[in-house]
Amino acid sequence: DVKVTQSSRYLVKRTGEKVFLECVQDMDHENMFWYRQDPGLGLRLIYFSYDVKMKEKGDIPEGYSVSREKKERFSLILESASTNQTSMYLCASKKGRLAGISYEQYFGPGTRLTVT
Amino acid sequence: QQQVKQSPQSLIVQKGGISIINCAYENTAFDYFPWYQQFPGKGPALLIAIRPDVSEKKEGRFTISFNKSAKQFSLHIMDSQPGDSATYFCAATVTYGAQKLVFGQGTRLTINP
Repeated sequence: DVKVTQSSRYLVKRTGEKVFLECVQDMDHENMFWYRQDPGLGLRLIYFSYDVKMKEKGDIPEGYSVSREKKERFSLILESASTNQTSMYLCASKKGRLAGISYEQYFGPGTRLTVT
Repeated sequence: QQQVKQSPQSLIVQKGGISIINCAYENTAFDYFPWYQQFPGKGPALLIAIRPDVSEKKEGRFTISFNKSAKQFSLHIMDSQPGDSATYFCAATVTYGAQKLVFGQGTRLTINP
């Protein structure tokens, strides 16, 4: 079974703090993703990485950065947290460059971040 | 710009009824359309998927109907059960060179016993 784990289920931070969200996958997947989930907006892609040290911006990268130093680990960084970054953050991983049943995205359980 | 539009945002169905969730897409290059199911406290998980070369795909009580000319697809849950209560997301992508999924806004489905 593919397992994607996220470092925290719940996190409360203050405005202006630097926040690290960590994600680890155990299936040697090349691709890893960070999404935020907000009611009525679905899942929006923040950043993704297709290889170690490689990253690409998603649809809403502003205010975020990422780091992928090892294949199994992908970190999302909020340089200076703001209240509008209060959200559910989901990490996912996927093998290969194709789309299909054998190439599905596997999601972690999410981190509920509250910025006060 | 939302490339995949999903409706309704929430849906309440009686046990045994049919739940229907609709999605529409804009990008004609999309050729793979998965549906994800998310239970409270969990991440989304792949439920069923379809390619546009077929008009319908059925897996148990779950059926995807696909209308390529209208650029629409829908999820039907037959004999809906309380255990089907979850949030459902449609998505779309291209098969080759695919790394990103474009998700719909999500539908919160509640099945009343």
